[in-house]
Amino acid sequence: AQSVTQPDIHITVSEGASLELRCNYSYGATPYLFWYVQSPGQGLQLLLKYFSGDTLVQGIKGFEAEFKRSQSSFNLRKPSVHWSDAAEYFCAVGGRNTDKLIFGTGTRLQVFP
Amino acid sequence: NAGVMQNPRHLVRRRGQEARLRCSPVKGHSHVYWYRQLPEEGLKFMVYLQKENIIDESGMPKERFSAEFPKEGPSILRIQQVVRGDSAAYFCASSPSRDQVNEQFFGPGTRLTVL
Repeated sequence: AQSVTQPDIHITVSEGASLELRCNYSYGATPYLFWYVQSPGQGLQLLLKYFSGDTLVQGIKGFEAEFKRSQSSFNLRKPSVHWSDAAEYFCAVGGRNTDKLIFGTGTRLQVFP
Repeated sequence: NAGVMQNPRHLVRRRGQEARLRCSPVKGHSHVYWYRQLPEEGLKFMVYLQKENIIDESGMPKERFSAEFPKEGPSILRIQQVVRGDSAAYFCASSPSRDQVNEQFFGPGTRLTVL
């Protein structure tokens, strides 16, 4: 079955601390992997994506993610979190011959000053 | 360069009424996707359309829900005889082609509340 698991429903960090959001996927073909961010009441904005090549991908707003095929993971990281990063983060998987994205249930990030 | 436009942003309906949600894709994009986000959940795929064609509706409920993407005008997601369980955020995304190497751009969503 195709699925995305984000095991952390809610994470709280202090401003300036490092961040890692976990994402595990199950997919029958070569996965295309995405991280989106959703601010309250807003749509989704793409942070970064992985299709092939270098397994460490850089995104916007200082985020990066690492694809680990052996662990079926695509964790999102940021070395120093800013208060404006507080939002909901969604991991998603798709593929070359499919049209839909499969989303995880999201991780809500709270940032304390 | 306008992104994906959705209207209305908020829609309130009473049980039994019809809801019509509109999506104008990014200019030049001919592929439209609809997703539904229930409270405290991730997005779930509903339907994928190209101009005048439904390509994949595997995520659409079998009854009351329909979608179209006419040759001219926006894509429409229509929900007939709404029930409280239809309350959700409905997101539209568009892309220039089916290949997911091309990003799906998301609109701001329509938040449907059924009283």
